[in-house]
Amino acid sequence: AQSVAQPEDQVNVAEGNPLTVKCTYSVSGNPYLFWYVQYPNRGLQFLLKYITGDNLVKGSYGFEAEFNKSQTSFHLKKPSALVSDSALYFCAVGASGGSYIPTFGRGTSLIVHP
Amino acid sequence: EPEVTQTPSHQVTQMGQEVILRCVPISNHLYFYWYRQILGQKVEFLVSFYNNEISEKSEIFDDQFSVERPDGSNFTLKIRSTKLEDSAMYFCASRQLAGGSDTQYFGPGTRLTVL
Repeated sequence: AQSVAQPEDQVNVAEGNPLTVKCTYSVSGNPYLFWYVQYPNRGLQFLLKYITGDNLVKGSYGFEAEFNKSQTSFHLKKPSALVSDSALYFCAVGASGGSYIPTFGRGTSLIVHP
Repeated sequence: EPEVTQTPSHQVTQMGQEVILRCVPISNHLYFYWYRQILGQKVEFLVSFYNNEISEKSEIFDDQFSVERPDGSNFTLKIRSTKLEDSAMYFCASRQLAGGSDTQYFGPGTRLTVL
């Protein structure tokens, strides 16, 4: 069975500082990893995904994520946070050869302070 | 940019009533999904649908739930007799391909409140 963990319920960061939202996963087979963002009263918006290739994936709104196979992690990062980045962030994992339905984490609330 | 749409945005119903949540997936997508998110909790998979039939469903998707694609554009989730614990955000999603690497695109959700 595949699973994903987002160990932090909330991340607080000052505007202009770098941010990291953590995600670790467990799958059989090669992982497909996704990050989604959810703004208040909105649906999930796709940010980026890792399928294969370069471990550093760049996505929307200046976000990037680093795939680390040995640590089974896929942390979301941004060099300089904006107040408008404040939202709920979900990591999701699927796997080759497994269910095509991605499994979502519990979400991490990112709060960027002015 | 094409997007998944859902109606209504908010539905309030009495316990025991039937509700139908509607979704219009992206037009060239072939695979459709319903998820739910109870307040403050994770996004949970309910059901996937392809070629006019359910391809996969979770334990949550019991006999009270059904899905249908009544025409070429709509994709609906019906809850026959709502319970208080059905109160949640319900998200529809679609993807073009079946593969696990293909991205799902989500609608804005329907907030269902069961009183």
